Amino acid sequence: SQTIHQWPATLVQPVGSPLSLECTVEGTSNPNLYWYRQAAGRGLQLLFYSIGIDQISSEVPQNLSASRPQDRQFILSSKKLLLSDSGFYLCAWSTPGLNTGELFFGEGSRLTVL
Amino acid sequence: GQSLEQPSEVTAVEGAIVQINCTYQTSGFYGLSWYQQHDGGAPTFLSYNALDGLEETGRFSSFLSRSDSYGYLLLQELQMKDSASYFCAARTGKLIFGQGTTLQVKP
Repeated sequence: SQTIHQWPATLVQPVGSPLSLECTVEGTSNPNLYWYRQAAGRGLQLLFYSIGIDQISSEVPQNLSASRPQDRQFILSSKKLLLSDSGFYLCAWSTPGLNTGELFFGEGSRLTVL
Repeated sequence: GQSLEQPSEVTAVEGAIVQINCTYQTSGFYGLSWYQQHDGGAPTFLSYNALDGLEETGRFSSFLSRSDSYGYLLLQELQMKDSASYFCAARTGKLIFGQGTTLQVKP
């Protein structure tokens, strides 16, 4: 069966510090991978999605970046965090083409920037 | 731009039926998904409509009308555990989410 893991689950970072969130998927090949962010009480904002290694689309211009060093690994990074980067970050995967409309989400990473 | 509109809050009593509406304005629309999210947790998939009509999965049903750019999620025989946020999401090659509807089920 397929599983998705992301870490860390919780982190508190000062403004201006770097960020690295990692996500790995097991049990499937060539998944589409996604990073979403959710502010408190709000919807999910798509940040990045990837249909393959070195194929990453950025949805929202900001101080975040994403990389996909391996087929089933997706990393979200920032060189300098802003207060507005606080939120609940969710990694997800889908089958290629997203034909079933189904995303499988990781447990989430809750980031607080102080 | 691309947007999905759904009510922010809905309240119902245990055992009742509730309908959560969603209207969308997107380009390249392929279908409408619904997700449930409990406080502090990750969203979980409920249903997907690619074609017009009603899809039924147990107590939950979802409907889509492409001509009206409209869909809804119908929850029957409400239980306390159904208290959660519900999101519609448009598949456009990626998945664009609405702002969510908080459902509160009361005894």
